[in-house]
Amino acid sequence: DAGITQSPRYKITETGRQVTLMCHQTWSHSYMFWYRQDLGHGLRLIYYSAAADITDKGEVPDGYVVSRSKTENFPLTLESATRSQTSVYFCASSGRGYSYNEQFFGPGTRLTVL
Amino acid sequence: KQEVTQIPAALSVPEGENLVLNCSFTDSAIYNLQWFRQDPGKGLTSLLLIQSSQREQTSGRLNASLDKSSGRSTLYIAASQPGDSATYLCAVLHAGNMLTFGGGTRLMVKP
Repeated sequence: DAGITQSPRYKITETGRQVTLMCHQTWSHSYMFWYRQDLGHGLRLIYYSAAADITDKGEVPDGYVVSRSKTENFPLTLESATRSQTSVYFCASSGRGYSYNEQFFGPGTRLTVL
Repeated sequence: KQEVTQIPAALSVPEGENLVLNCSFTDSAIYNLQWFRQDPGKGLTSLLLIQSSQREQTSGRLNASLDKSSGRSTLYIAASQPGDSATYLCAVLHAGNMLTFGGGTRLMVKP
C-alpha cells in the first residue's frame, strides 16, 4: 500500500521555467491539498481539491496552478518559477467526511529555483 | 484570521522524563485539531486527531487534550525516549477548509 507519493523528490530549476510537481494517492481520498513549508512561515496551504474537477485557493495560491482530472492525482504547476517559490512542497489527502478526518502527508518535494 | 502558536519552540529533556507540549489558537470555531511529528528532511506523520466535540485522544505514550473554549491543546508524552526526538506540529482545521499550522516545537530527548 503506497499511500501518498510525490515526485520528483528533489528538483532544481531556473527562474521563469515551468515546473510540475506530482502527487498520487492510493486511498481514493476525496480531498487533496498542496502546502509549502518555509523557515519562518511554517506550513501554508496553497490549493486544495474536494473532488475531481473541484479545486479552490488556499492561503498562498499566487503563481501556482492546479488541476484534478482523476481522484488519485493532484498535480501542482508553477507556470513561471520565481526564487520566492524555493520551498519544500507537501501534498496531503483526507477521506470522506472532511471535517472529521485526518490529513495524511506525502514525503515532500524539495524545489530550488535558481 | 486563525493563528496557531506553539510553546516552547525548542525543548531538550533527559530520557525517561514526561513532558508537555503546548498549542494555542485564536479562533475557537474549529472542526478538529491534529498533532503531527516531523523528522528532519521528512514528511509529516499524523499522531493524533481530536475532533471539536472531543476533549482528548490517546495513542500509546501520547495523550492530547483539547479545550476549545480557551483555545488550547496539549500533547503529553510519557516516559520520553531518544526516538521521540523530532519536531511536533499542531494544526487546526477551521472555516474555509483550511488547516492552519503552528510553528512547531523541536524536541530533543537525550540518552
